Amino acid sequence: DAGITQSPRHKVTETGTPVTLRCHQTENHRYMYWYRQDPGHGLRLIHYSYGVKDTDKGEVSDGYSVSRSKTEDFLLTLESATSSQTSVYFCAISELAGETQYFGPGTRLLVL
Amino acid sequence: SQQGEEDPQALSIQEGENATMNCSYKTSINNLQWYRQNSGRGLVHLILIRSNEREKHSGRLRVTLDTSKKSSSLLITASRAADTASYFCATARGTNAGKSTFGDGTTLTVKP
Repeated sequence: DAGITQSPRHKVTETGTPVTLRCHQTENHRYMYWYRQDPGHGLRLIHYSYGVKDTDKGEVSDGYSVSRSKTEDFLLTLESATSSQTSVYFCAISELAGETQYFGPGTRLLVL
Repeated sequence: SQQGEEDPQALSIQEGENATMNCSYKTSINNLQWYRQNSGRGLVHLILIRSNEREKHSGRLRVTLDTSKKSSSLLITASRAADTASYFCATARGTNAGKSTFGDGTTLTVKP
């Protein structure tokens, strides 16, 4: 398995609070991604990074921000959590743009 | 909107039978990838087929790509109960190759 960890694995929070999810890789891959997956659906891209301090928005970026200060870490922040952000969040990495992605185990987030 | 759409949404077969699922997309692509997701887990990459390839094999998996019809199919031969999972296609396009787009998936159930 590719060395990708996500923390926390489970999180319960209240509406209006900020939440930060962490993705850590040991593969030294350039590209890192944050997706959300809702029941019965595929993955939707939130943000991705193509290098340290280089990030771009995905299709569902509103309400989310990201930061990547080191190659190995990619942080996803929900600035003010809402119930619509209850979801499973997956981090992924890839060596090249648009090529094989390796996924972390996911973080289950519940916003009450 | 999703670039890739899988069909059927759900498929139930007996062990030993073949399973075929399809993916359609809307715009030109660099490559198309298939992933598997077991319940509650992250996605696992199965196979990548490039836009200049028509067919690719990996073990019991056979993927075809028809760029004129903007469609791909994944065939799993001699299915096993362990193949029970959701299967997703993902497409990577041109200058936005970093933004792979996933479909909503096909849920495959293989009955022993």
